[in-house]
Amino acid sequence: AQKVTQAQTEISVVEKEDVTLDCVYETRDTTYYLFWYKQPPSGELVFLIRRNSFDEQNEISGRYSWNFQKSTSSFNFTITASQVVDSAVYFCALTIKAAGNKLTFGGGTRVLVKP
Amino acid sequence: DAGVIQSPRHEVTEMGQEVTLRCKPISGHNSLFWYRQTMMRGLELLIYFNNNVPIDDSGMPEDRFSAKMPNASFSTLKIQPSEPRDSAVYFCASSSRGAMTDTQYFGPGTRLTVL
Repeated sequence: AQKVTQAQTEISVVEKEDVTLDCVYETRDTTYYLFWYKQPPSGELVFLIRRNSFDEQNEISGRYSWNFQKSTSSFNFTITASQVVDSAVYFCALTIKAAGNKLTFGGGTRVLVKP
Repeated sequence: DAGVIQSPRHEVTEMGQEVTLRCKPISGHNSLFWYRQTMMRGLELLIYFNNNVPIDDSGMPEDRFSAKMPNASFSTLKIQPSEPRDSAVYFCASSSRGAMTDTQYFGPGTRLTVL
């Protein structure tokens, strides 16, 4: 069965610091997709990025960047120059072909950005 | 375009009462998912539908829970009778085809409190 582990339960930083969130996944499938979602204090889940298992190219979107390494089964997320609005819980998730569209979520990492 | 719509946003009820949560997926999306989020168990999939047909309900905790999707634009999750341990945030999500490659878009959630 597939599994997603986010070992960091909470990270606290001061504004403008960089913060990296770790995500390690387990699956026997060679075809899978990885996702990151953000859950701000208001509670909704906001989609951030999707990456397939065949595309190890890193991605940058504004202050957000993602590092996908199949060799270590990791899909880490970095927020550069953090802002107070980045305070949220961030979830990493996985889908595999055998499970269709079922998302397996990690436990989430709470990021607190202090002014 | 409207996102996933859920109602009510908050529900407080007493143990033993029937609770009905409602969801309207994004127009044109063929797959719908119900998730539950608790502190103890995190985000867990309860059931999902493809083209209005339940595909996997293995996450439904027990017979007190039931879900229906009478048409492509509406789904309900019913708990009868409700118990305090059902207190959680219930999310509805939709995706275009239900394939592994598809991104799931979440509604704002319904916060359920059973007293």
